[in-house]
Amino acid sequence: GNSVTQMEGPVTLSEEAFLTINCTYTATGYPSLFWYVQYPGEGLQLLLKATKADDKGSNKGFEATYRKETTSFHLEKGSVQVSDSAVYFCALQGLYGSGNTGKLIFGQGTTLQVKP
Amino acid sequence: NAGVTQTPKFQVLKTGQSMTLQCAQDMNHNSMYWYRQDPGMGLRLIYYSASEGTTDKGEVPNGYNVSRLNKREFSLRLESAAPSQTSVYFCASSEAPGGPYNEQFFGPGTRLTVL
Repeated sequence: GNSVTQMEGPVTLSEEAFLTINCTYTATGYPSLFWYVQYPGEGLQLLLKATKADDKGSNKGFEATYRKETTSFHLEKGSVQVSDSAVYFCALQGLYGSGNTGKLIFGQGTTLQVKP
Repeated sequence: NAGVTQTPKFQVLKTGQSMTLQCAQDMNHNSMYWYRQDPGMGLRLIYYSASEGTTDKGEVPNGYNVSRLNKREFSLRLESAAPSQTSVYFCASSEAPGGPYNEQFFGPGTRLTVL
């Protein structure tokens, strides 16, 4: 079945450091890929997405490229800020009607702590 | 425009007690979802409702029931709570049930502890 694996956290960085959070997936067909962010005490918010191979999703300085050959969707940011401290979830969505119901399959989440 | 709201925010139950978690959305979305979030396991789908009048099981439905009361509201019921149901519960909604352009919007969550 479909699954998502993220690097374990927590990831602790200093402000302005470069961020990479690894995400790999297993899926049949061509899923869509997402990164969600959860700030302390809040629900999840969509950060970015990519719907086909080689697509690059980007938002708020974060980027991720859909790599079908390596089944990966790594999240990157060139210079993190204290306000980026949150839990980041990688997720995939199969096609509706393909037996996956279009539901989201989440990775386990990676906690990012950015220190001033 | 409140988005997705959930009540209560926190709840403590004793084993065997029952309770209903409430969820409402004001975005006129057709599809609604209930997830649970456990440490190290991400979010797992409990039940979903693709449209008003339909409900289906997700990945971890055992011990739960749902009701799609109307287009706005989707409740989750624990008939006999167990310690294994201690978790944070999130409700979400989307305009339609599938496809990458139907973003799911999440509520703030309900933190449930079963003693």
